[in-house]
Amino acid sequence: EAQVTQNPRYLITVTGKKLTVTCSQNMNHEYMSWYRQDPGLGLRQIYYSMNVEVTDKGDVPEGYKVSRKEKRNFPLILESPSPNQTSLYFCASSFGTGVEAFFGQGTRLTVV
Amino acid sequence: EDKVVQSPLSLVVHEGDTVTLNCSYEVTNFRSLLWYKQEKKAPTFLFMLTSSGIEKKSGRLSSILDKKELFSILNITATQTGDSAVYLCAGGIQGAQKLVFGQGTRLTINP
Repeated sequence: EAQVTQNPRYLITVTGKKLTVTCSQNMNHEYMSWYRQDPGLGLRQIYYSMNVEVTDKGDVPEGYKVSRKEKRNFPLILESPSPNQTSLYFCASSFGTGVEAFFGQGTRLTVV
Repeated sequence: EDKVVQSPLSLVVHEGDTVTLNCSYEVTNFRSLLWYKQEKKAPTFLFMLTSSGIEKKSGRLSSILDKKELFSILNITATQTGDSAVYLCAGGIQGAQKLVFGQGTRLTINP
């Protein structure tokens, strides 16, 4: 089954404790992105990747890092999480630009 | 700045009603307009529109794009309680790995 898999689904952590949210897709897509979803603001892009070792900032990259060492994986790293990063996070992949993106199940992150 | 605006933000109707959700966009290097349905968590794809005036249909759902007036509508006929969800509209940008999302319309269908 074609899918994007994120882990964990739920995470509560404390300010400053480094964490990683994993994302993996099995569709051989070149393009992958991370979004955060906040009430009233919709989904906003954090980082994206157009291929292995090629990543770039989206609209809200501050406080986040990503890496793309393999085509299927695109982890999101929060080196020092803060409460304003409490949000619902989605990983997405697509075969091209400006086309349908497939989303993971989401990760609900709470930073206290 | 690229922008997508949806209206209404919230809509409550009775089962069997027909609803129209609106999406206007200002997106540079516009390539496509996409509709997603978000129930519990992950947005699921409904339609991608690239040409003006050509209606796309899937069962009771249909959508159309007007590239001159920069808007799209999503119609749902004979609504069912299972249609209750947040409907997201997004603009796709040519050559950019990014979708610009609107705020979403929360649709509630009462039995």
